[in-house]
Amino acid sequence: GDSVTQMEGPVTLSEEAFLTINCTYTATGYPSLFWYVQYPGEGLQLLLKATKADDKGSNKGFEATYRKETTSFHLEKGSVQVSDSAVYFCALSSSGSARQLTFGSGTQLTVLP
Amino acid sequence: GAGVSQSPSNKVTEKGKDVELRCDPISGHTALYWYRQRLGQGLEFLIYFQGNSAPDKSGLPSDRFSAERTGESVSTLTIQRTQQEDSAVYLCASSPSPNLGNTIYFGEGSWLTVV
Repeated sequence: GDSVTQMEGPVTLSEEAFLTINCTYTATGYPSLFWYVQYPGEGLQLLLKATKADDKGSNKGFEATYRKETTSFHLEKGSVQVSDSAVYFCALSSSGSARQLTFGSGTQLTVLP
Repeated sequence: GAGVSQSPSNKVTEKGKDVELRCDPISGHTALYWYRQRLGQGLEFLIYFQGNSAPDKSGLPSDRFSAERTGESVSTLTIQRTQQEDSAVYLCASSPSPNLGNTIYFGEGSWLTVV
């Protein structure tokens, strides 16, 4: 079945550091890939998405490229801010289960000033 | 409304009691989902509604869990005879349709604590 494996946290960085959160997946067909973010005390929000191979999703300085050959969708940001502190979830929706998202376990990011 | 609305936002209940959680999806969204998020874990799919089709209940963990949806509007998730392991955030989400790649919008969740 479908599955998402993402880098375990917690991750602690200093402000302006480079961020990478790894995400790999297993899915039937050609899934769409997503990163969701959950800020403290808030609900999940879509951060970015990519629907086909080699697509790059981007938002708020974050980027992720859909790599079919490595089945990966790593999240990156060149210079993190304190306000980026949150839990980040990688997720997929595949042709085999278009009714639902399959989520990774989440990665807690803390950015220190 | 502007977003997915859930109530109550917080609920503390005694073990063995029944609870009902409510979700108001974004107007016009035909697809509605319920997920559970236990502390420190990812989201678990519970149930999915699409229009007037039979719901996909494949994620419900036991027969104590049930959900209903009236047409393409409000949904309620009911947990009977609550247990401590039911303590979690229950998230509702909706999307314009179930088409692959469609953005799914989440509510802020109902935080359930069973004592």
